Amino acid sequence: QQQVKQSPQSLIVQKGGISIINCAYENTAFDYFPWYQQFPGKGPALLIAIRPDVSEKKEGRFTISFNKSAKQFSLHIMDSQPGDSATYFCALPNSNSGYALNFGKGTSLLVTP
Amino acid sequence: DGGITQSPKYLFRKEGQNVTLSCEQNLNHDAMYWYRQDPGQGLRLIYYSQIVNDFQKGDIAEGYSVSREKKESFPLTVTSAQKNPTAFYLCASSMRRAGGETQYFGPGTRLLVL
Repeated sequence: QQQVKQSPQSLIVQKGGISIINCAYENTAFDYFPWYQQFPGKGPALLIAIRPDVSEKKEGRFTISFNKSAKQFSLHIMDSQPGDSATYFCALPNSNSGYALNFGKGTSLLVTP
Repeated sequence: DGGITQSPKYLFRKEGQNVTLSCEQNLNHDAMYWYRQDPGQGLRLIYYSQIVNDFQKGDIAEGYSVSREKKESFPLTVTSAQKNPTAFYLCASSMRRAGGETQYFGPGTRLLVL
């Protein structure tokens, strides 16, 4: 099973600051690295994803950076806002399980006013 | 509106009882999945189905069963054999059986044991 290690487990950032969440993986058959965002009591939703023909992808305040040689990818949230307070998951598709996602354990982000 | 619906939002199970969680999608997606979420554990795969009338066990299938008689429906039964069923259950679907496809999640069902 493809392992995904996510850090930190929790993160507190002041409004306007930068939030950084990291994921490391052992191996993957797919060049697809998604991040999901989950608010309390809701299902996760895709936030941003990268296919590493590029090393970085930016959508608004959210950026994925990818380092293939290090087998790591990270999520950066610029100008963090209280509305960004949520749990963030990195994930990898698993070809042995019908392309279900192997999720990291999640990072609980709190952005303080 | 297209999407995934799960019902009920909350479900209470008595000891020895089987309960069924509903998952319906109108996205015309081939693949459907059930995940279990526990605090600090991320999401873990229970069962998945790539086409109608076919489904496979995931990482934590013991004590659960599913059916896929229709493309849009993928109900999950939590049986009495599941000794620790208290969790948040999430259903998801994706368009094709392929890596790199976005998975869309339902709002979840929270199962509690009486």
